[in-house]
Amino acid sequence: GENVEQHPSTLSVQEGDSAVIKCTYSDSASNYFPWYKQELGKRPQLIIDIRSNVGEKKDQRIAVTLNKTAKHFSLHITETQPEDSAVYFCAAIPGNTGKLIFGQGTTLQVKP
Amino acid sequence: KAGVTQTPRYLIKTRGQQVTLSCSPISGHRSVSWYQQTPGQGLQFLFEYFSETQRNKGNFPGRFSGRQFSNSRSEMNVSTLELGDSALYLCASSFGGSKDYGYTFGSGTRLTVV
Repeated sequence: GENVEQHPSTLSVQEGDSAVIKCTYSDSASNYFPWYKQELGKRPQLIIDIRSNVGEKKDQRIAVTLNKTAKHFSLHITETQPEDSAVYFCAAIPGNTGKLIFGQGTTLQVKP
Repeated sequence: KAGVTQTPRYLIKTRGQQVTLSCSPISGHRSVSWYQQTPGQGLQFLFEYFSETQRNKGNFPGRFSGRQFSNSRSEMNVSTLELGDSALYLCASSFGGSKDYGYTFGSGTRLTVV
């Protein structure tokens, strides 16, 4: 079935360090992979996304890589700041269904 | 431009009652999707509406239903509420075209069933 596994569930880093969150998806027809950041009590906000015809995408301190053969994708945050502390969710859209299948989330804590 | 608006923000209902939640998408967006967020199950897809038609459906019981109006506003209804229905219900809107996946989420409705 459609499934997205996300690791780790919690991640604690020092300010300035890098953080990496990894996700694996099950449906090989998945073609869109967004990442959302959700701060406590707030809505999920799209921070970066990647489509299946691209291997890597960067936006300032954030980058996402996709390995379609292995069916996994990763979020990389460099030079972390305390305001990066939040829950991060990866997701995939199986085929052309239009529905987001989310990973379980990673709670990132950036210590000053 | 205005974002995705969900009303009400908070609801407290009793077991057995029914509830209706509302979602107004970003102007011009024709697709509205609904998600349930709980600490145990995470974010789970409920259904998606596009041009007043349900286009996709998740694995939730028939007590969960929805509809979309001609102005793209959507409502979600849950009948015969159970304690386990307590959750944050989020809607997301997008233009909805083929492979257009720019989903924007609303702030959600926090439903508590007692």
